[in-house]
Amino acid sequence: NAGVTQTPKFRVLKTGQSMTLLCAQDMNHEYMYWYRQDPGMGLRLIHYSVGEGTTAKGEVPDGYNVSRLKKQNFLLGLESAAPSQTSVYFCASSDASGGYTFGSGTRLTVV
Amino acid sequence: AQSVTQLDSQVPVFEEAPVELRCNYSSSVSVYLFWYVQYPNQGLQLLLKYLSGSTLVKSINGFEAEFNKSQTSFHLRKPSVHISDTAEYFCAVRGLTGGGNKLTFGTGTQLKVEL
Repeated sequence: NAGVTQTPKFRVLKTGQSMTLLCAQDMNHEYMYWYRQDPGMGLRLIHYSVGEGTTAKGEVPDGYNVSRLKKQNFLLGLESAAPSQTSVYFCASSDASGGYTFGSGTRLTVV
Repeated sequence: AQSVTQLDSQVPVFEEAPVELRCNYSSSVSVYLFWYVQYPNQGLQLLLKYLSGSTLVKSINGFEAEFNKSQTSFHLRKPSVHISDTAEYFCAVRGLTGGGNKLTFGTGTQLKVEL
């Protein structure tokens, strides 16, 4: 039982490049989330999904897009990367009780 | 909307000493409360949660937290810490209704256990 799997684990981008982060969960959870973690700021919600085919904006959505075409996958896209998007990105999923299962994170550096 | 305040960014403590990590929240509705732990270069793991019932909740590794509605607090305590407890601890809150189960996290407290 893998839980929540994020790929890639590390990535370096040049300013203006695009990329997609993949999150996959095998727990049949309805809810999925993308957070970014920055020093001294905790975790901030970027986008989330309450079910297949749905997405919604979180606290810091600008510069990111998401898609949830399949229940088990939640993709996070950066169309034109900026240095301010250098961060550690975490995906999580949850059931109705609200307890989250997190992935191990993607460390992204934009130069 | 909810918010979480963790006033202590770092807490140094000697091994076998007690520790308390403080968490206060703000919400206009009833809430669920959580503590997560993050070890270096890992994702967050659920440590314990309060959903309903007894206001004192415990984890399997000796931590406990008490929900205090009047003080809007959910402080995390351990009577005797171990070196392996060194990690960052995040308090989180979500409203009971609506909101897509979204958690709002505090900024974290780094617990450093020293010999």
